[in-house]
Amino acid sequence: SAVISQKPSRDICQRGTSLTIQCQVDSQVTMMFWYRQQPGQSLTLIATANQGSEATYESGFVIDKFPISRPNLTFSTLTVSNMSPEDSSIYLCSVNPWDIGYGYTFGSGTRLTVV
Amino acid sequence: AQRVTQPEKLLSVFKGAPVELKCNYSYSGSPELFWYVQYSRQRLQLLLRHISRESIKGFTADLNKGETSFHLKKPFAQEEDSAMYYCALQTNTDKLIFGTGTRLQVFP
Repeated sequence: SAVISQKPSRDICQRGTSLTIQCQVDSQVTMMFWYRQQPGQSLTLIATANQGSEATYESGFVIDKFPISRPNLTFSTLTVSNMSPEDSSIYLCSVNPWDIGYGYTFGSGTRLTVV
Repeated sequence: AQRVTQPEKLLSVFKGAPVELKCNYSYSGSPELFWYVQYSRQRLQLLLRHISRESIKGFTADLNKGETSFHLKKPFAQEEDSAMYYCALQTNTDKLIFGTGTRLQVFP
């Protein structure tokens, strides 16, 4: 299966600032997915990032708040903008299974705390 | 509506006891279902997928379309099975919809 490197692993940020999370895959993949896991909650899909086109956002998530880049088939970034304490969560990237051949693979996550 | 329901937040058993983690889904199409596991301080990882009909670490899960269920079972729980388990549904646009998760605690 694919290996995903995600960084930073954790960060503590001031409200009103922005944080960019990076996700690097060791194989070329068509789609990359960004998830949020709020404390005590399940995973919620934020957006799907395709190379060469704009990301597709889920209901409740907007590009101004969570801009995404996908410059090539192995890399993506998610920015959490103008942060507030409600943005404190774990953010994870995941890759499309069919490119890899078996199951979705997840990054190790970024634990974000906004103070 | 597309939804995955895991009714139990916590399931506690003793080592050697049978385990069943419940998962029900709501989906109008043909479902692709997965179980994911997250051990303490580790990343989320795939445990099994229904299409493979396999047994991983002694766990099995059978898709029951009539009951719209995909329960995870293991006949004899081990302490190392203690983890968070998520049931997930893959939609026809390749999104994964997760249940709220069940924490399995296996006591010695």
